[in-house]
Amino acid sequence: DVKVTQSSRYLVKRTGEKVFLECVQDMDHENMFWYRQDPGLGLRLIYFSYDVKMKEKGDIPEGYSVSREKKERFSLILESASTNQTSMYLCASSFRGTPTDTQYFGPGTRLTVL
Amino acid sequence: GEDVEQSLFLSVREGDSSVINCTYTDSSSTYLYWYKQEPGAGLQLLTYIFSNMDMKQDQRLTVLLNKKDKHLSLRIADTQTGDSAIYFCAESIAGLMNYGGSQGNLIFGKGTKLSVKP
Repeated sequence: DVKVTQSSRYLVKRTGEKVFLECVQDMDHENMFWYRQDPGLGLRLIYFSYDVKMKEKGDIPEGYSVSREKKERFSLILESASTNQTSMYLCASSFRGTPTDTQYFGPGTRLTVL
Repeated sequence: GEDVEQSLFLSVREGDSSVINCTYTDSSSTYLYWYKQEPGAGLQLLTYIFSNMDMKQDQRLTVLLNKKDKHLSLRIADTQTGDSAIYFCAESIAGLMNYGGSQGNLIFGKGTKLSVKP
């Protein structure tokens, strides 16, 4: 079974803090993704990576950065957290080389910025 | 650009069938997906259908695809309270081919919240 884990289920931070959200997958997937999920807006893609040290902006990259130093780990960084970044953050991964683009999701991190 | 539309809410009684509908815009989509999200959890792949198929059945789940109308539906037979969740429709997009493979991007709908009443 594919396993995608996220470092925290719940996180509370203060405005201006630097926040790291970590995601690890154990299936040697090339592609990794970060989404945020907000009520009424569904999933919005922040950043994705299709290889180590490679990153691409998604639909809403502003205020975020990412790091992919190892294949299994994809980190989302909020350089200076703001209240409008309070959200559920979902990490996903997928294997390149199969006909489908099935993504496997972690359990999510609910971040609250005060 | 690409867009996936779903209604936001659906309420059914236990034992009835549920039908969740989705429309998409990218006619070049290769696969279409249904994901389920239970409260407080991540998304779990339920099923997917290849774009040259009309129907796929998997136990209580039936996926119907009308490619001409770009309409996808998920039918859950004998709906149970454990089926209460948010259901997301998603399409794969025809992205660039990098490093011998696609980028694997999916476009998700906003999700349909299914409530099952006893």
